[in-house]
Amino acid sequence: SAVISQKPSRDICQRGTSLTIQCQVDSQVTMMFWYRQQPGQSLTLIATANQGSEATYESGFVIDKFPISRPNLTFSTLTVSNMSPEDSSIYLCSVIYNEKLFFGSGTQLSVL
Amino acid sequence: SQKIEQNSEALNIQEGKTATLTCNYTNYSPAYLQWYRQDPGRGPVFLLLIRENEKEKRKERLKVTFDTTLKQSLFHITASQPADSATYLCALDPNNYGQNFVFGPGTRLSVLP
Repeated sequence: SAVISQKPSRDICQRGTSLTIQCQVDSQVTMMFWYRQQPGQSLTLIATANQGSEATYESGFVIDKFPISRPNLTFSTLTVSNMSPEDSSIYLCSVIYNEKLFFGSGTQLSVL
Repeated sequence: SQKIEQNSEALNIQEGKTATLTCNYTNYSPAYLQWYRQDPGRGPVFLLLIRENEKEKRKERLKVTFDTTLKQSLFHITASQPADSATYLCALDPNNYGQNFVFGPGTRLSVLP
């Protein structure tokens, strides 16, 4: 299994600002995934982060809005840039281990 | 188009009864399907994985079936308890690459005492 520490757990931000979310995994993993969960909805994959290369973004998500860093095999950050109220969501990082996804506890973001 | 559907947004049952949740998918051919539990304010937690060649998988009070002809998985919780109240999500790996998992919308289960 994998244990993921994600922070912050929640934040309230002003429109136009940026927030960086951090995830630390207790073991080395090749891929880390970033998901968004909008209120009352299911999870949508934002991007896949590999160490040493640029993240791969899903349709509808772009690097300028959601820049991702992956400096080593245990850590990744997701930045939500130039925020608007529509960005209010839960953001989750995840890793896969033995075909199972393990998630951080999530970051509840509210944009005013 | 490709999609995953779960039978209902919310399901209320009495304690002690069996809860049955449905996951249907369209235009996917997954090699396996997964079920997760999500509590409010928390990330999803893996429960069970069932492969295309497995008809049924059990874990304590949980049972999952997988019918690739019907493109459907059923998730059962027997002898349900109020502590089972949560949102349950099905998920599949559309390309069978071990990444890019797609999640259903979830069913919010409430077990009433």
